Amino acid sequence: RKEVEQDPGPFNVPEGATVAFNCTYSNSASQSFFWYRQDCRKEPKLLMSVYSSGNEDGRFTAQLNRASQYISLLIRDSKLSDSATYLCVVNPNSGNTPLVFGKGTRLSVIA
Amino acid sequence: DVKVTQSSRYLVKRTGEKVFLECVQDMDHENMFWYRQDPGLGLRLIYFSYDVKMKEKGDIPEGYSVSREKKERFSLILESASTNQTSMYLCASSSAGTGVGGELFFGEGSRLTVL
Repeated sequence: RKEVEQDPGPFNVPEGATVAFNCTYSNSASQSFFWYRQDCRKEPKLLMSVYSSGNEDGRFTAQLNRASQYISLLIRDSKLSDSATYLCVVNPNSGNTPLVFGKGTRLSVIA
Repeated sequence: DVKVTQSSRYLVKRTGEKVFLECVQDMDHENMFWYRQDPGLGLRLIYFSYDVKMKEKGDIPEGYSVSREKKERFSLILESASTNQTSMYLCASSSAGTGVGGELFFGEGSRLTVL
């Protein structure tokens, strides 16, 4: 049973393109959701939380669809520096259960 | 700035050796975690701790043990290293504000090679 599923990619896109990643989760009781970014040979870092109403941070937009149990991340006007692996993360929200990580989607932005 | 420090960035050990990976955080976080990350398998949780002297098994605890004697320090122990434990090991911590599901702060990782 895969709790959090992501397309591993790689997504190869030119600079300036818009790219979107989806992630599905299996636990319908999950309440909070996140996108983490991991650069090559670096540790993961929180990119943004995902709220029910959707949220935007500059060129990045995250959305949640509870009915279909998926989360999306949209990156507009891609930069070379956006090249990284994007990890979808779900909080199962059940007692002492840690965050559940997807395996990540790799993005390469090409000049 | 928040900081999670892992004692060794790169280690090379021989099969059967005992290996200690140390992690220290300076954020007064209650929760600490050990993950391993392998290509194609993503991050897998080995053990976590939500308080001093407390430990919980993650998804892949076999072959590992942990120690949390002080709040700021969480150690991962490989009693008898094997080649299939060659991996990148990542330590993380989080505040207890949202249980163990809060924002994780990761260390830079320890790349272990077992020969």
